[in-house]
Amino acid sequence: LAKTTQPISMDSYEGQEVNITCSHNNIATNDYITWYQQFPSQGPRFIIQGYKTKVTNEVASLFIPADRKSSTLSLPRVSLSDTAVYYCLVGDMKTGGFKTIFGAGTRLFVKA
Amino acid sequence: GAVVSQHPSRVICKSGTSVKIECRSLDFQATTMFWYRQFPKQSLMLMATSNEGSKATYEQGVEKDKFLINHASLTLSTLTVTSAHPEDSSFYICSARDLGAGGTDEQYFGPGTRLTVT
Repeated sequence: LAKTTQPISMDSYEGQEVNITCSHNNIATNDYITWYQQFPSQGPRFIIQGYKTKVTNEVASLFIPADRKSSTLSLPRVSLSDTAVYYCLVGDMKTGGFKTIFGAGTRLFVKA
Repeated sequence: GAVVSQHPSRVICKSGTSVKIECRSLDFQATTMFWYRQFPKQSLMLMATSNEGSKATYEQGVEKDKFLINHASLTLSTLTVTSAHPEDSSFYICSARDLGAGGTDEQYFGPGTRLTVT
């Protein structure tokens, strides 16, 4: 399983764009990159998943460079309610044998 | 998206008793479910992988006789904490895998169960 490294914490202000970068130097060919969000006392919530280049959905964008050794989750115009822990995970989705191992995550604190 | 439920949402039990936590996939069939434990201010720790119709696979350091997992149907997995002790107090989270038609995998998490052992 590819190990991931993220900043432990980040601070931002309402309305700003937040970029959280995750390093996964030993990512394998079949591995996908998935980001989850977790609020206190709740289960993680899926945010976005990608394999390469750029993926965008209604809540975030995911940028993956050509070497795929890192990825950046971009949250546009954050609000106070985006204060949460964000986890980056890497694994082989297609075989169905992917075990979701969580790293330490990044604690994002959005200030007014 | 798909929904995973857990029951109960919180439970308080006395030391030495057993507690069962249910995890259900409400609108999809899940051949694989996972159980996690999370202590305050820490990340989720994978305890075991539960496969429908077969024995669960436990992670290193997790006592299989203490944390009994049953995955008898494609929509239900249960975790029983046997002879609970105060150190078992934690937030238990399950997830279910929905292997989509496109071949990519989506994993949905339950809301968690807060267990307090007194």
